[in-house]
Amino acid sequence: DVKVTQSSRYLVKRTGEKVFLECVQDMDHENMFWYRQDPGLGLRLIYFSYDVKMKEKGDIPEGYSVSREKKERFSLILESASTNQTSMYLCASRWGGANEKLFFGSGTQLSVL
Amino acid sequence: AQTVTQSQPEMSVQEAETVTLSCTYDTSESNYYLFWYKQPPSRQMILVIRQEAYKQQNATENRFSVNFQKAAKSFSLKISDSQLGDTAMYFCAFMKRAGNTPLVFGKGTRLSVIA
Repeated sequence: DVKVTQSSRYLVKRTGEKVFLECVQDMDHENMFWYRQDPGLGLRLIYFSYDVKMKEKGDIPEGYSVSREKKERFSLILESASTNQTSMYLCASRWGGANEKLFFGSGTQLSVL
Repeated sequence: AQTVTQSQPEMSVQEAETVTLSCTYDTSESNYYLFWYKQPPSRQMILVIRQEAYKQQNATENRFSVNFQKAAKSFSLKISDSQLGDTAMYFCAFMKRAGNTPLVFGKGTRLSVIA
């Protein structure tokens, strides 16, 4: 079974802190994604990566950056966390090309106080 | 850009009854996929059903089926014989059938199955 692992299920941080959310997949997937989920807004794409060291902005990249130095790991970085970044963050991955099957992690609920 | 609209924020259904969740989308693409995902309280996203746009036949998976109307850009999900375990958020999603494109999700419908 494919595993997409997010390092923390719950995280509490202070305003202004630098925050790293980690995502690791074990199936040699080329594409990896970070979504943000808020009530009433659904899932919104922050960034995605279609290969190592490659990244593309999604719909809401402001305040975030990403890093993909190795194929299996895709990190979401909040350079200076703010209260409006309190949200649930979902990581997903899949094989590349036009393959449509997406595998999700179980989410990180981040609270910024 | 593609958009996905789910017009029902919340719905409820009695156990064993049938319920239909609505989804419309906007695209100029002709080749794409459509999906319904389920997110139970565990937060794990589960693929319920997928439809390829070039296939006219509606997809079915056990108690779950879709009504895909390509011209109307409509993709509704029908759940038959609803069970308590169907209680979840349901998200409709769209993906262009092209290399390395992300899924675009709707805002979700919260479904409650009542005993």
